[in-house]
Amino acid sequence: DAKTTQPPSMDCAEGRAANLPCNHSTISGNEYVYWYRQIHSQGPQYIIHGLKNNETNEMASLIITEDRKSSTLILPHATLRDTAVYYCAIIQGAQKLVFGQGTRLTINP
Amino acid sequence: ETGVTQSPTHLIKTRGQQVTLRCSSQSGHNTVSWYQQALGQGPQFIFQYYREEENGRGNFPPRFSGLQFPNYSSELNVNALELDDSALYLCASSTTGAPYEQYFGPGTRLTVT
Repeated sequence: DAKTTQPPSMDCAEGRAANLPCNHSTISGNEYVYWYRQIHSQGPQYIIHGLKNNETNEMASLIITEDRKSSTLILPHATLRDTAVYYCAIIQGAQKLVFGQGTRLTINP
Repeated sequence: ETGVTQSPTHLIKTRGQQVTLRCSSQSGHNTVSWYQQALGQGPQFIFQYYREEENGRGNFPPRFSGLQFPNYSSELNVNALELDDSALYLCASSTTGAPYEQYFGPGTRLTVT
């Protein structure tokens, strides 16, 4: 299985950009990178996904390196409500999402 | 648009018992995937159902089984419960075709004593 590696925890000041890294060095050419976040053991909330190009939506931006071995999720103006566990995942075979251990992001006032 | 729903929210069972968890997919979605999330871990893929057939399975024993119904809702059944089965069970729905976005329900918290 393609594996994702994330730092266990990060802190960010409210109003600043939060940059969450993820390594996925064994990713295959047709596998998408997904980001989810999870608050208080609720169901994971979809944030964004990408294949090769950088992506942006109303929640975040996703930067994928040219060799696709790593990516960074950017929350441009973090708020206290962005405190959560953020998961980077790879989807394999159109079926299963393979999640890493996640990064616990704490936004400080 | 109705999101993914799961029932029950919480459940307590005794070791050796059987349990059935239920999931209703998001409207317009025909594929359902189930995940197990132990405390402090990322979700682990159990299996996926499409057109009422199992369409891929993770590293879980046969006592984990499922069903999908014509309305795309799904059940997860676990027989002979073990203490390690205590976890948050998540259902996710999606459509076929890339990029295979999966949307998760709120989960069912199962405690086995």
